[in-house]
Parts: sequence; structure tokens; C-alpha cells
Amino acid sequence: DTGVSQDPRHKITKRGQNVTFRCDPISEHNRLYWYRQTLGQGPEFLTYFQNEAQLEKSRLLSDRFSAERPKGSFSTLEIQRTEQGDSAMYLCASSSRRSGANVLTFGAGSRLTVL
Amino acid sequence: AQSVTQLGSHVSVSEGALVLLRCNYSSSVPPYLFWYVQYPNQGLQLLLKYTTGATLVKGINGFEAEFKKSETSFHLTKPSAHMSDAAEYFCAVSDSSGSARQLTFGSGTQLTVLP
Repeated sequence: DTGVSQDPRHKITKRGQNVTFRCDPISEHNRLYWYRQTLGQGPEFLTYFQNEAQLEKSRLLSDRFSAERPKGSFSTLEIQRTEQGDSAMYLCASSSRRSGANVLTFGAGSRLTVL
Repeated sequence: AQSVTQLGSHVSVSEGALVLLRCNYSSSVPPYLFWYVQYPNQGLQLLLKYTTGATLVKGINGFEAEFKKSETSFHLTKPSAHMSDAAEYFCAVSDSSGSARQLTFGSGTQLTVLP
């Protein structure tokens, strides 16, 4: 088990472009979370999947953001028409009922810079 | 609604000295409390958590925290700092459902350990 993997680790893009991040959770974890972390702040919840179902979305997740987990394994987070305010670290985390639903294992994050 | 306040965005201690990182929370229901650590270019790692029972919680790497309901605090301590403890530390609170999607993080405390 290699933990939670995120790709790419760094992405620099121009304003208006679309970007997609991928998260591979721990294989036996059925719960997957996306958080956003800006400089000097703690992570903020974006969205949550249980298996393939997206069960909750934060108000932070504008209509330019979409997340999927099509087969209940990996997940993607897409940001359309990026804005400079989207610059942040995007963190993925996973958990399972067995390991403790509130015990999250985080990936190293995908850092987005929008120019 | 719940919130977390971490007092001191930067804390410096000498190697071998006591580490004390402060966290106060606000919650309308009995809280679950967590401390996470983030090393450079890595994801957040759970240090310890309080759910119910014993108010003094021991975690990894020699850290411990005490839940004080009367003071609404959950301060993190370590008797003797090591250079490898230099990292950013996040306190987090969730409601007693323990659901990770209800997890609210503080803004973090950067710990520097001086030789």
C-alpha cells in the first residue's frame, strides 16, 4: 500500500484554462475527500464521496469545479476557466469505516498556480 | 457551527525544550478533536485524536494533548523537542458524529526547532 497518491504535484496554468487533478486513494478505503488549502490557512472541505456517490459538496465548490469518482476507486477534480483565486493546494484524503471514518489519510497534494 | 483557533502562527523552541502548541475550539455539540502534522511537500499525517474517554491522549512521536472541556482547549505538548519535529501543525474539530466531512481545521502553527 503506497498511501494516497495525487497527480500532478504541481500545475502552472494561465487564467481561463481548464485543469484536472487525479487522486488514487488507499485501495480499501471507500471514502474519499477533496480539500483546498491556501497559504497560511488550514485545509477547507470541498467534497466527499462514498464509493462512487458524491454525497456532499461545500459552498466553496463553485459550478466551475466538478469532481468524479466513476468506479469508486480513483477520483478526478476538474476546474474549468481557472481564475487566479483558484491558486491553492488541492488535497485528497481517504478513509474507511474500519480504520475510522474520521481518520483521514492525506495525499501530498496538487499545487495549482494560476497566472 | 464549530471553529478552531490556533494561537501563534509561528512557534520557535530550542532542541530539547518543551513544545506547547495551543488550540481552542468552539462547538455546540461534544467535539471530536484532532492534531495533524504536515512536513514540507508531504500530506497531513494524524498525530492523535480525542473522541471520548480519557482526556489525556497520547500520539505518535512523543506528542500528547489534553482535552479540557472547561477551557475549550486541546493543546499539544511534547516534553523535549527534536529537530525532526519542525513542521506545520493543524488542530481540527468535528462534531461527535465523527464524520470527516464535518472536519474544521485551524489555520496552523509552524514549529521551528533551533539547534
